[in-house]
Amino acid sequence: KQEVTQIPAALSVPEGENLVLNCSFTDSAIYNLQWFRQDPGKGLTSLLLIQSSQREQTSGRLNASLDKSSGRSTLYIAASQPGDSATYLCAPQGGYSTLTFGKGTMLLVSP
Amino acid sequence: GAGVSQSPSNKVTEKGKDVELRCDPISGHTALYWYRQRLGQGLEFLIYFQGNSAPDKSGLPSDRFSAERTGESVSTLTIQRTQQEDSAVYLCASSLPGSDGYTFGSGTRLTVV
Repeated sequence: KQEVTQIPAALSVPEGENLVLNCSFTDSAIYNLQWFRQDPGKGLTSLLLIQSSQREQTSGRLNASLDKSSGRSTLYIAASQPGDSATYLCAPQGGYSTLTFGKGTMLLVSP
Repeated sequence: GAGVSQSPSNKVTEKGKDVELRCDPISGHTALYWYRQRLGQGLEFLIYFQGNSAPDKSGLPSDRFSAERTGESVSTLTIQRTQQEDSAVYLCASSLPGSDGYTFGSGTRLTVV
């Protein structure tokens, strides 16, 4: 059974800092890995999708890397802004295309 | 449609009543998933549909939970004889088959009182 761990569980930083969110997973037999953000009381917004054959994906200030063999992914956020405050979820996709979620990293960016 | 639509957005029900939650996936998305998120917890997988069949329903917590899907469109998650521990946000997602990304709906917040 796939298990996903996200570190840190919570992070508070001043605006402008670069930061790294970590994700590890136990079963490396994945099709892809997706990063989401979740705002309080709302659904999930997809940020980045990395196919298993890829090493990284970039979208604006976000960069996600994937080391499938070691079961690790990182999400790098450059020049953080208060609008980045949310919970960030890592989800590898395995059998039957089912996503397994970590408990997330709760990010607070202060002005 | 443009996105995954879920209804109702909020539902308050009395313990012991049955509830139905609806999900309209993105047109053309053959795969549909239901997840549950209890307060302060991570997302729990409930059931996966490919078309109108459910190859993986291993996450349904008890026989009070059931789900069906009509063709490659609407899905309904039914919870019978609701209990307080069923209170959660129920999220639906859809995707194209294969290694493609999910699109989530905004969820249904269920409160059992």
